[in-house]
Amino acid sequence: GAVVSQHPSWVICKSGTSVKIECRSLDFQATTMFWYRQFPKQSLMLMATSNEGSKATYEQGVEKDKFLINHASLTLSTLTVTSAHPEDSSFYICSARDTQGDEKLFFGSGTQLSVL
Amino acid sequence: QKEVEQDPGPLSVPEGAIVSLNCTYSNSAFQYFMWYRQYSRKGPELLMYTYSSGNKEDGRFTAQVDKSSKYISLFIRDSQPSDSATYLCAMSGQAGTALIFGKGTTLSVSS
Repeated sequence: GAVVSQHPSWVICKSGTSVKIECRSLDFQATTMFWYRQFPKQSLMLMATSNEGSKATYEQGVEKDKFLINHASLTLSTLTVTSAHPEDSSFYICSARDTQGDEKLFFGSGTQLSVL
Repeated sequence: QKEVEQDPGPLSVPEGAIVSLNCTYSNSAFQYFMWYRQYSRKGPELLMYTYSSGNKEDGRFTAQVDKSSKYISLFIRDSQPSDSATYLCAMSGQAGTALIFGKGTTLSVSS
């Protein structure tokens, strides 16, 4: 299957700082990438849909000024958690769909964010 | 009612058993169905992909979709300890849209 690379896999930061998470599709182009959030023993909750060259679409209840998404190329999307607080601690996962393929969605390995 | 319902388990079986995992859904527009396997603190890995109704088999895994009942299943034959993970069903209606996930079923296969 297609490969999606996500970095970092683990980050610990102080409250009030910003953290950037990168998501790259390594062997395919992705017009659209999706960012999910997962709490322990919970399902994946869609945060936003990232479209190359345009503004991201955020799900209801997700603060767009706190979770900045940039999708500058067909292979890279970034999620920046601004002014992080302990309640932002979670597992963040990106996913991408091959623009030339079917509806299969491929996931990165996830980023565990811990805000102290 | 949630869009996708999945029993979280946990489900414990002995090695070699046949495992049946299921999801129900409420949106009749769903037509793309997937099963993912997720190990702890890792991203989900795509196992099976089905469009519309029917069965699909891949090695020890069989996926079934019954759109009339809004019910999908994943069967694992000859289960192995390495199959121990959380299994997530996911689905979508329109092409290009995000997937809606079930809560995931935690499976433990003992040797």
